[in-house]
Amino acid sequence: QSVLTQPPSVSAAPGQKVTISCSGGSSNIGNNYVSWYQQLPGTAPKLLIYENNKRPSGIPDRFSGSKSGTSATLGITGLQTGDEADYYCGTWDSSLSAVVFGGGTKVTVL
Amino acid sequence: QLQLQESRPGLLKPSETLSLTCTVSGASLYSSSNYWGWIRQPPGKGLEWIGSIYHSGSTYYNPSSSLKSRVSISVDTSKNQFSLRLVSVTAADTAVYYCARLGIAARRPKIDYWGQGTLVTVSS
Repeated sequence: QSVLTQPPSVSAAPGQKVTISCSGGSSNIGNNYVSWYQQLPGTAPKLLIYENNKRPSGIPDRFSGSKSGTSATLGITGLQTGDEADYYCGTWDSSLSAVVFGGGTKVTVL
Repeated sequence: QLQLQESRPGLLKPSETLSLTCTVSGASLYSSSNYWGWIRQPPGKGLEWIGSIYHSGSTYYNPSSSLKSRVSISVDTSKNQFSLRLVSVTAADTAVYYCARLGIAARRPKIDYWGQGTLVTVSS
């Protein structure tokens, strides 16, 4: 069982918006920064969001991150077929002294 | 351009020791103010952090029962490499192993560079 909880899957039509939730507790999301990763089939994960809501250079503003309390959210607007991938949230857990990830969410473009 | 490349140990038998090396190019581990580490992904499953190391040798390891006390990570700044050692492997250690750069602060993971990953299979 993952320390962080994500929905197994979300889906939407091209051009629509999806949101992916990541739920944790005070020892992880509640008091630490959250990052998000996209993993296309057969490839290594790629950093999408860091420090809750910052995008690395080259990541389009269709991707956004937010955090409230012990939950974080990744938003993807203007959904494209190329966005079909698994998405993971990650953070530091102060009680475990460990990097922890969510179980991953598969995004399907209908 | 920063690049990370894992070695390819391939197939291991249960109880053997897994040794992986990550070769970093495009940046110096010695002068880099970053943590470097290992993350694995069992087939069809999610990501699991194994551990991180700073160029000084300071380390953090996953305390989970599946890894605790079996893992060690070391760094060789002269070769610009860092390594993973996992003893007494079982089939549960079968996974794709990624080396990665985890950012400037251990408690603020920002995993911005990843190796391509190497599949390690444990089978008798």
